[in-house]
Amino acid sequence: GQNIDQPTEMTATEGAIVQINCTYQTSGFNGLFWYQQHAGEAPTFLSYNVLDGLEEKGRFSSFLSRSKGYSYLLLKELQMKDSASYLCAVADSNYQLIWGAGTKLIIKP
Amino acid sequence: IAGITQAPTSQILAAGRRMTLRCTQDMRHNAMYWYRQDLGLGLRLIHYSNTAGTTGKGEVPDGYSVSRANTDDFPLTLASAVPSQTSVYFCASRRTGGDTGELFFGEGSRLTVL
Repeated sequence: GQNIDQPTEMTATEGAIVQINCTYQTSGFNGLFWYQQHAGEAPTFLSYNVLDGLEEKGRFSSFLSRSKGYSYLLLKELQMKDSASYLCAVADSNYQLIWGAGTKLIIKP
Repeated sequence: IAGITQAPTSQILAAGRRMTLRCTQDMRHNAMYWYRQDLGLGLRLIHYSNTAGTTGKGEVPDGYSVSRANTDDFPLTLASAVPSQTSVYFCASRRTGGDTGELFFGEGSRLTVL
């Protein structure tokens, strides 16, 4: 079966760095996405990885290892507005997205 | 502002009633999707459409139907609502269904079936 695993909840301190992990097992692989979702709002796109390695975009970076079925989202210089859920999703062989349940990130002052 | 509009944003519905959730996009995207989001579960695909005139079943299609008469509109119908269909429903679109383009989401429709 297809499966995306990520931690349910994480807590970090304002100004710090946090890494949110995602492991996956899917039928085919056409890229991995990270989305951010604030409570009561729609998900918004953060990053896309299809090749191994690190993609950096401002305070956010995303890493992919296809051989390990593993990705992480790295958030630096955490701000209170980063409190949200972070969703990992993999595009399968039919380009349909398989979603993880999301990681709720709580930022403390 | 270009984007996706869903209606209604919130609805309470008696079990057994018929309900249609509306979704309209003005980005001329070919592919559109309906997801449901439940606590502790990932977004689950209900139905999708890769282009106007075609639709397909997702992971959890039972009890739902869709139509895609034109590029912009993709309504989701619950023929006879049941309490297990209480959820937040998101409509989404992307440029095409056969690539890995970014998904754009509507603001969601919160449905409660009593």
